[in-house]
Amino acid sequence: DTAVSQTPKYLVTQMGNDKSIKCEQNLGHDTMYWYKQDSKKFLKIMFSYNNKELIINETVPNRFSPKSPDKAHLNLHINSLELGDSAVYFCASSPRITGGEFFGPGTRLTVL
Amino acid sequence: DAKTTQPNSMESNEEEPVHLPCNHSTISGTDYIHWYRQLPSQGPEYVIHGLTSNVNNRMASLAIAEDRKSSTLILHRATLRDAAVYYCILQKKSSGDKLTFGTGTRLAVRP
Repeated sequence: DTAVSQTPKYLVTQMGNDKSIKCEQNLGHDTMYWYKQDSKKFLKIMFSYNNKELIINETVPNRFSPKSPDKAHLNLHINSLELGDSAVYFCASSPRITGGEFFGPGTRLTVL
Repeated sequence: DAKTTQPNSMESNEEEPVHLPCNHSTISGTDYIHWYRQLPSQGPEYVIHGLTSNVNNRMASLAIAEDRKSSTLILHRATLRDAAVYYCILQKKSSGDKLTFGTGTRLAVRP
């Protein structure tokens, strides 16, 4: 009965590869997010979607492309991975834009 | 981005109340005050949020100053499982309602 789930939990890959991280929420929330937490533990928002529409797009390289096939899913595809992309990526959802956010367990991405 | 100021770290004894302070002098009238915490190796966890009035839930209480320039998260009886980094965040309409996490307060709980 996991509320916000992400797969995979760990992802180790070579520079230049393309990879995807999947996120699903079973809370019936309208809004979903992607965050990045770097090695210094700073947590920064990347994207937010409300009912499958992009609401927030921070200054994120074009190599990062979120995709929301339906309200319950927000996947993150990353092209041409770079060393600096190594981080923990968190997916989150909230019932409305000004509500509390529920975070997934995170995906630790390591780019070699 | 919205600016909040929190102590880097605090310590508490188990089963005692904890008051975690936060200053947000640049708060606007429509900004919500959010608190999250992050336990080691886990995602952030929503704790509480409020606008003007004090708020209570099963996890904590949020006391908001009358001028809204500061707030205090109150854990009524700290447990070892409350050891985490606590983030105080302003959710600003001018920033598209996004949450901007700062460095937070690392709370240690002594048995």
